Amino acid sequence: QQQVKQSPQSLIVQKGGIPIINCAYENTAFDYFPWYQQFPGKGPALLIAIRPDVSEKKEGRFTISFNKSAKQFSLHIMDSQPGDSATYFCAVRDTGRRALTFGSGTRLQVQP
Amino acid sequence: NAGVTQTPKFRVLKTGQSMTLLCAQDMNHEYMYWYRQDPGMGLRLIHYSVGEGTTAKGEVPDGYNVSRLKKQNFLLGLESAAPSQTSVYFCASNTQQGNNEQFFGPGTRLTVL
Repeated sequence: QQQVKQSPQSLIVQKGGIPIINCAYENTAFDYFPWYQQFPGKGPALLIAIRPDVSEKKEGRFTISFNKSAKQFSLHIMDSQPGDSATYFCAVRDTGRRALTFGSGTRLQVQP
Repeated sequence: NAGVTQTPKFRVLKTGQSMTLLCAQDMNHEYMYWYRQDPGMGLRLIHYSVGEGTTAKGEVPDGYNVSRLKKQNFLLGLESAAPSQTSVYFCASNTQQGNNEQFFGPGTRLTVL
């Protein structure tokens, strides 16, 4: 079953825009919610992560908003740049197994 | 530090052939994972290991076997490759401590004809 639903599948914004990517999860036994960034031909790399006891986390131009009651979290990219063009994956971590379950990914294109 | 390395980078197999993918990490991480990435499906966990000598099944383990004989290495085996196993395979590792960040290798692109 799909435990993490990510949307949209693809997103095109102009430079300086604020793309927003959303994820919804179905289980409450998760304790860690990361976002990974992947460039073509490379492995995913951790971008930013949040734990369920906070509602928002900012690191530079990247912000995670977390809504525990709605079981949703989102990634906002402020002042987006062409270099942010990549595929973004949300993930959730199972408390017991410590393994990640990934969303299906969002391909972001930031146009100059 | 090289981080997480994977060999080979590319491989083409015929249906029924076998092969082993090697993952190595030099960060002394306890946990290691094998994922496969297919278009539109994100990364799916095949098998994982929480320490030397231990392995466990993930979401999509059928057709694969793994071994963790040394802490730094995690091997993924395909005994009889099928076209459905055409994919990009990623290895990852992390430590029990700290921020739980998983570090990924560069991937192996496998095609089964």
